[in-house]
Amino acid sequence: EAGVVQSPRYKIIEKKQPVAFWCNPISGHNTLYWYRQNLGQGPELLIRYENEEAVDDSQLPKDRFSAERLKGVDSTLKIQPAELGDSAVYLCASSLTRTGSEQYFGPGTRLTVT
Amino acid sequence: LAKTTQPISMDSYEGQEVNITCSHNNIATNDYITWYQQFPSQGPRFIIQGYKTKVTNEVASLFIPADRKSSTLSLPRVSLSDTAVYYCLVGEWRYGGSQGNLIFGKGTKLSVKP
Repeated sequence: EAGVVQSPRYKIIEKKQPVAFWCNPISGHNTLYWYRQNLGQGPELLIRYENEEAVDDSQLPKDRFSAERLKGVDSTLKIQPAELGDSAVYLCASSLTRTGSEQYFGPGTRLTVT
Repeated sequence: LAKTTQPISMDSYEGQEVNITCSHNNIATNDYITWYQQFPSQGPRFIIQGYKTKVTNEVASLFIPADRKSSTLSLPRVSLSDTAVYYCLVGEWRYGGSQGNLIFGKGTKLSVKP
């Protein structure tokens, strides 16, 4: 079974430029998460989806970050415009819903803003 | 969600048993204790979860005393490949599914030496 797929794996952009990250969760997983992980820190949740609905986006900086999960499968996280402080690893995870399933994480996208 | 405290780092040698203790003094009645492992350039991976007493799987054991204010992750006979960051999480969910969100701390960086 394929795991959570993320692309790109690495991205280098200049500040004020836009950037987008893509995630394909494990087939059948209704719940999808986006996390941000800064160097030396644990991941922090940005947004959680149940199917197409964003059920928790309280930690998402909405002035520059946006996310979507069309058709309840793949998801895209966007930053526009990027700032130096956005340099981090962006992790996507998925899980089954209401069955007590663990979260499965993708390898992440390492973003460097110069 | 209960706050957790764990050592920043630990060193061990191959073949030894490693015990990582996590304190969670404010754990609530409905909270479960979950441990994740993260290798460099990878997303976290679920290791084990428990509510009370002892839980064992093919990878690790989890010891939880009666008061549940702490827990100990035990890794038997570690190898170099066990070098990773280990996160202790406490929350009112099972396996971090749709019932709640995961809140990661800084984790414990375990270094296994030959």
